[in-house]
Amino acid sequence: AQSVSQHNHHVILSEAASLELGCNYSYGGTVNLFWYVQYPGQHLQLLLKYFSGDPLVKGIKGFEAEFIKSKFSFNLRKPSVQWSDTAEYFCAVGNNNDMRFGAGTRLTVKP
Amino acid sequence: EAQVTQNPRYLITVTGKKLTVTCSQNMNHEYMSWYRQDPGLGLRQIYYSMNVEVTDKGDVPEGYKVSRKEKRNFPLILESPSPNQTSLYFCASSRIAGVKAFFGQGTRLTVV
Repeated sequence: AQSVSQHNHHVILSEAASLELGCNYSYGGTVNLFWYVQYPGQHLQLLLKYFSGDPLVKGIKGFEAEFIKSKFSFNLRKPSVQWSDTAEYFCAVGNNNDMRFGAGTRLTVKP
Repeated sequence: EAQVTQNPRYLITVTGKKLTVTCSQNMNHEYMSWYRQDPGLGLRQIYYSMNVEVTDKGDVPEGYKVSRKEKRNFPLILESPSPNQTSLYFCASSRIAGVKAFFGQGTRLTVV
């Protein structure tokens, strides 16, 4: 069955620490990969996406993600987090039939 | 402005009283979907629609109905709400399935 797994449920970091959130998926065929962010009390917004080409994609606010096809992974990274990055982060995988989301990772950044 | 509009934003209702949450998009998107968000479970898809008059069940369709009579609208219907449907609901649309999704602001539903 198609699925998206996010390994970390809650991550707590201090400002300036580096971030890596894991995402693995189980999907057949060609997929599109996304990371969405949900700030407290708000709806989901696109952070970055990968369709094809360079497997290292850069998104907004200094985030980047790397697609590793052999590992079915699309991990999100940021070299130095800020307090304003406190939010919930969702990995999503889509094909021409549907879109599935992971369970989300809550990131808390302490000032 | 491109947007997905859900109404109402907040709703408290009683068990068994039928309700409808509306969703409308102004981007001429073909694909629309409904999700519920629960702590620790992330976003789970309830129903989706590939185009007008084409709807299909997602992962958690029990207790819900949808319709897609027009391209822009995709209402979510709870015929007989129960407390386990208390949740935060999001409508989303995209040009086609599997590409960037635009989300509504969410509807927080409480069933007592």
